[in-house]
Amino acid sequence: AQSVTQPDIHITVSEGASLELRCNYSYGATPYLFWYVQSPGQGLQLLLKYFSGDTLVQGIKGFEAEFKRSQSSFNLRKPSVHWSDAAEYFCAFWNYGGSQGNLIFGKGTKLSVKP
Amino acid sequence: KAGVTQTPRYLIKTRGQQVTLSCSPISGHRSVSWYQQTPGQGLQFLFEYFSETQRNKGNFPGRFSGRQFSNSRSEMNVSTLELGDSALYLCASSFGLAGAQTGELFFGEGSRLTVL
Repeated sequence: AQSVTQPDIHITVSEGASLELRCNYSYGATPYLFWYVQSPGQGLQLLLKYFSGDTLVQGIKGFEAEFKRSQSSFNLRKPSVHWSDAAEYFCAFWNYGGSQGNLIFGKGTKLSVKP
Repeated sequence: KAGVTQTPRYLIKTRGQQVTLSCSPISGHRSVSWYQQTPGQGLQFLFEYFSETQRNKGNFPGRFSGRQFSNSRSEMNVSTLELGDSALYLCASSFGLAGAQTGELFFGEGSRLTVL
């Protein structure tokens, strides 16, 4: 079945430390991949997206993600975390069928940042 | 440019009632999609409207319905509310038909529904 797996429900990192959030997908072809962030009480904000081409994509707020086809992964990274990065992060892919489509989301990873 | 606007932001209903949520997309966007977010099931696709027509539908019962107006604003309705309908309902817009594009959606802040 088509799905997105985010194996880490909750991660805590110290401010200034590096971050990697894991995402694995199951899909019949190379999907369009996304990372969204949701701050408490807010909607979803797009961090970055991968459609094709360079497998390392840059996003907003200093985030980047790397697509690895062999591992069916699209992990999100940030070299130095800021306290304002505390939020929930969702990996998603575009489930495309003809002229229809919708986003399939992972269950999310909640990031806490220690001062 | 204003983002996606959802109203109301919070509401409380009792079982058996119905509710209507509203979404105003980004100006110029013609597609509106709705997603339900719950702690247990996560984010799930409800439906998408484009040019006043439902173009795609997720796996939800018929109690969940929606419509889109000529100005692209959309409403979703849930009838005969159940406790399990308590959720954050997110609306997202895109310029064209989302299914024909690459899926880059712009989300509103959501309407949080509590069913007692």
